[in-house]
Amino acid sequence: DQQVKQNSPSLSVQEGRISILNCDYTNSMFDYFLWYKKYPAEGPTFLISISSIKDKNEDGRFTVFLNKSAKHLSLHIVPSQPGDSAVYFCAARSPAGTASKLTFGTGTRLQVTL
Amino acid sequence: GAVVSQHPSRVICKSGTSVKIECRSLDFQATTMFWYRQFPKQSLMLMATSNEGSKATYEQGVEKDKFLINHASLTLSTLTVTSAHPEDSSFYICSARPGPLTFGYTFGSGTRLTVV
Repeated sequence: DQQVKQNSPSLSVQEGRISILNCDYTNSMFDYFLWYKKYPAEGPTFLISISSIKDKNEDGRFTVFLNKSAKHLSLHIVPSQPGDSAVYFCAARSPAGTASKLTFGTGTRLQVTL
Repeated sequence: GAVVSQHPSRVICKSGTSVKIECRSLDFQATTMFWYRQFPKQSLMLMATSNEGSKATYEQGVEKDKFLINHASLTLSTLTVTSAHPEDSSFYICSARPGPLTFGYTFGSGTRLTVV
């Protein structure tokens, strides 16, 4: 049972344009959502997070939007840069009573082309 | 920033042997660490939650006798893959949360295990 899904396995975007990565979830009890960037053979690197009580969080070129009614979140990267090429995972955090564990989506490979 | 060091980065072992992977929090104390496994082109699957000074909590379907976790101090958790088989070959990653108010879990760099 995949509670966090990223339906697009890959995305190609031209440099300077906006990259939009999507994520859907099923468990309404998740209290935080996080986005991670991952290169092959490396651990994920934290990018940005959003509380379930917010609908938007912005940090530089990265903005995360949360639509709680639709159980959907998205990561916007603008402008996209070649160094952004990586696999992006969204993750959802279970409430603290369950040791705050993260459930990851399947990842989206972003390719930013020149 | 918070750093989690994972060692070794890659290991090749023979079937039937055991392999130990270490995960250290370098500049913070971690009462809880998490161990994940990632198959090629798939998601990170949580294997277990490692608790300092007590038994680990394993996710459903993860054999606790095969994947031994020891969290002996506030800065070190180890995962031992016992009697390894080729199907245990995978990418193993640990993570820790630097503090109760931080939401950016810090991950180690991962360990590529190949069982031959």
